[in-house]
Parts: sequence; structure tokens; C-alpha cells
Amino acid sequence: DIQMTQSPSTLSASVGDRVTITCRASQSISVYLAWYQQKPGRAPKLLIYRASILESGVPSRFSGSGSGTEFTLTISSLQPDDFATYYCQEYNSYSWTFGQGTKVEIK
Amino acid sequence: QVTLRESGPALVKPTQTLTLTCTFSGFSLTSSEMCVSWIRQPPGKALEWLARIDWDDDKYYSTSLKTRLTVSKDTSKNQVVLTMTDMDPVDTATYYCARMQMPYGGHGLDYWGQGILVTVSS
Repeated sequence: DIQMTQSPSTLSASVGDRVTITCRASQSISVYLAWYQQKPGRAPKLLIYRASILESGVPSRFSGSGSGTEFTLTISSLQPDDFATYYCQEYNSYSWTFGQGTKVEIK
Repeated sequence: QVTLRESGPALVKPTQTLTLTCTFSGFSLTSSEMCVSWIRQPPGKALEWLARIDWDDDKYYSTSLKTRLTVSKDTSKNQVVLTMTDMDPVDTATYYCARMQMPYGGHGLDYWGQGILVTVSS
């Protein structure tokens, strides 16, 4: 199975900060990677798919990049609504995998 | 409007079989390149992908759980059913179903149900 490793596990940041989360795949997944945001008690919300395509309705401060084994999610200017946990997910293989999550906390 | 909703028991006993139903609307699983997946999340832990069923009835399972999982669909009822055998307390989790459109390799899981908390306890 493909392993997905996110870093950091926890990130403390302030409103207005630029934030970057990294996701590494144990083997190449081309661009078949999605990013999700999850708030407590809620279902995950799709932010980015195919590594860099912004889902409709998602603010443009979110962006994704990467291909192969290394991917990043960037929030250009952190807003109060962005404090949440973020997950990457590969869907290149037949047995999909999520990363372990990155919690973005208020500094 | 696309919606998905999970239903099933909130409590199961160890060794029992769990059956969950995902009832959806706003799309059809007969549509080409559509799929529905199941994902779970133990309390305070990460998401774990479980299974997927495609419009053409292809099925895919988590490698670590495939001996315990079965996914099926009833297109006439717009439902996808997941069964998991031999339940254990470590299977306590919120179980979600979610949709993915597969053209050009996939769109991400763009619509999710609200989730159902299943507790495994005697």
C-alpha cells in the first residue's frame, strides 16, 4: 500500500500568516492527490483535487502543488475560519490512503 | 443537490457483523465514472479509507481490512451498503460515505454524508 506522510502534525500560526503543509507519498501517485479540511464534529470538506485544482467555492487563499511523491497545501493568509485539521488523500492506487492529518492551531 | 446519508446501528457487540447503508440523492451510480466510498474515523484519530464501489460494479477494499469488508449497491434505491464482519472495540468510529467523480483520474471526494458513530461494546 502507498503510505502518505504529512508534516507537521501540528502547526501553530496567527491570523494573516502564510501556512504550508507537506504530504509525501511512499511511491509516485502522479497528481492524484486531494486535500480536505475538517472541523470538529463535521465531515471533511474537499479543498483541492488533482494536486492543484481548487474545488468550486473554496477561497483562493488555498492552493496546492506537487506531483509524484511530494505535495504541498498552502494557505496564503490564514483566516479565523481556517483553524482546522487538514488531510491529504491519494487516489492513484486501488486502495486509497489518507495522511495522518495536520492540525492548524491558533498561536 | 447532492446529498448522502449514512444509516445503521449505533451500537454493535464484539464479533457481530456491522451493516451500514448510504442513501444518496442528486446523482446516480449508473452514471459513468461515478463511485461511492466508505471512510471511517476513530474518535480523535485520522481518517481511514475502507472501500469503494464504482458505477460499473467494480469494488476496491482497504488492503488491511479486505477480508472483513463487503460493499454492494442497489441502484434502484440509490443505496450503497457496507458490511464489516467480526467487529471489535477498535472498530469504534464515525463511518462516512462520500462520492467521487472519476473523469480524468478523479475529482476528489466532493460530497460526504454527515457520518454515523458506531460503538463496539458488549
